[in-house]
Amino acid sequence: GAGVSQSPSNKVTEKGKDVELRCDPISGHTALYWYRQSLGQGLEFLIYFQGNSAPDKSGLPSDRFSAERTGGSVSTLTIQRTQQEDSAVYLCASSPPYNEQFFGPGTRLTVL
Amino acid sequence: AQSVAQPEDQVNVAEGNPLTVKCTYSVSGNPYLFWYVQYPNRGLQFLLKYITGDNLVKGSYGFEAEFNKSQTSFHLKKPSALVSDSALYFCAVRDSTDSWGKLQFGAGTQVVVTP
Repeated sequence: GAGVSQSPSNKVTEKGKDVELRCDPISGHTALYWYRQSLGQGLEFLIYFQGNSAPDKSGLPSDRFSAERTGGSVSTLTIQRTQQEDSAVYLCASSPPYNEQFFGPGTRLTVL
Repeated sequence: AQSVAQPEDQVNVAEGNPLTVKCTYSVSGNPYLFWYVQYPNRGLQFLLKYITGDNLVKGSYGFEAEFNKSQTSFHLKKPSALVSDSALYFCAVRDSTDSWGKLQFGAGTQVVVTP
């Protein structure tokens, strides 16, 4: 079956611009997660959504970062006024109840 | 708070030799433990997990891992490594009291298998 998909696969932007990253989870998965993978920083949790519950935003690094999940499915991670330190691979994962997380291929963001 | 340590940045092994990638963890409750592998320019692929039951867990591609509660370890092993096993390996933990929660990942271990 279809896995987690993310778009775009690569995004190059200029410092100060806003970007939107999209994640399509596996159908039926009620939990959705965003992580960031940076050189030297490993994998860093950003935010997760579980059904209709309030999202856990504890990992968002600043108020320039936000995410939403519409209709319990597709999620968008938005970074406003991008900075060079935002350059990283942004990974999305989804999960059925009480199970492992399935990861998408990631979006590589480069801020010039 | 939960944490994961992967003490080796890189593991080098010759093809055909046993491969071990080390992982230790810390959680307040019971651990749910996972191993993932990442090939270049790819997302993370699930290898295996420990939730409960038998301490020896078998997973994909001939990998296995042993849960050791007293040593708080979950080392990944493969009896005979292949060149194609060269990749970045991540250990991750989640506290059992937070079943929907985020995974805490280790820093990753680069495995290099030479022919």
